[in-house]
Amino acid sequence: KAGVTQTPRYLIKTRGQQVTLSCSPISGHRSVSWYQQTPGQGLQFLFEYFSETQRNKGNFPGRFSGRQFSNSRSEMNVSTLELGDSALYLCASSRGTGDYGYTFGSGTRLTVV
Amino acid sequence: DQQVKQNSPSLSVQEGRISILNCDYTNSMFDYFLWYKKYPAEGPTFLISISSIKDKNEDGRFTVFLNKSAKHLSLHIVPSQPGDSAVYFCAASLTNTGNQFYFGTGTSLTVIP
Repeated sequence: KAGVTQTPRYLIKTRGQQVTLSCSPISGHRSVSWYQQTPGQGLQFLFEYFSETQRNKGNFPGRFSGRQFSNSRSEMNVSTLELGDSALYLCASSRGTGDYGYTFGSGTRLTVV
Repeated sequence: DQQVKQNSPSLSVQEGRISILNCDYTNSMFDYFLWYKKYPAEGPTFLISISSIKDKNEDGRFTVFLNKSAKHLSLHIVPSQPGDSAVYFCAASLTNTGNQFYFGTGTSLTVIP
């Protein structure tokens, strides 16, 4: 079965711009979670969407937002980019009910210059 | 505040020997724990999990031990193989709060042939 697909793989943006990242979960998975990975910080939870609703939210500023569509695909948006937003953004999907643990995508490497 | 900690950023082990990766957590309410393995340029892949009702779970060469009183878990890999060289993340969750996981900062394991 197809895995979790994240696009684009790499992105370079300028400070102040905004960016949208996309995640297509495994077919049948209704939960999509987003994480930011930076050196020394591990994976920091951004938010989780389940059936088009945000179910959990991490400790990130409002510049980070997301949404989920009826086909479970999810997008993450970061507005007014800062240099510190440079990171690997990982999306993970799961069935979301009764099972725990994710399947991760390969991530989108965002560089803010 | 890092609720899950991996205090060893790196570990080197000879092929055939045991690798022991450690993880500490601060929230005694965590009831589900996982280990993920990550190769460069790929997303983390699920390795093994353990529920708080157990103190040990085995899967082939991989065994996870949970010491709830010490809030400590460890991953044992026996015997270690060069293909095990990767970054290992431990993660913890409160299963009744949905699908949010708290990750450690990772330990880079190098298995020397």
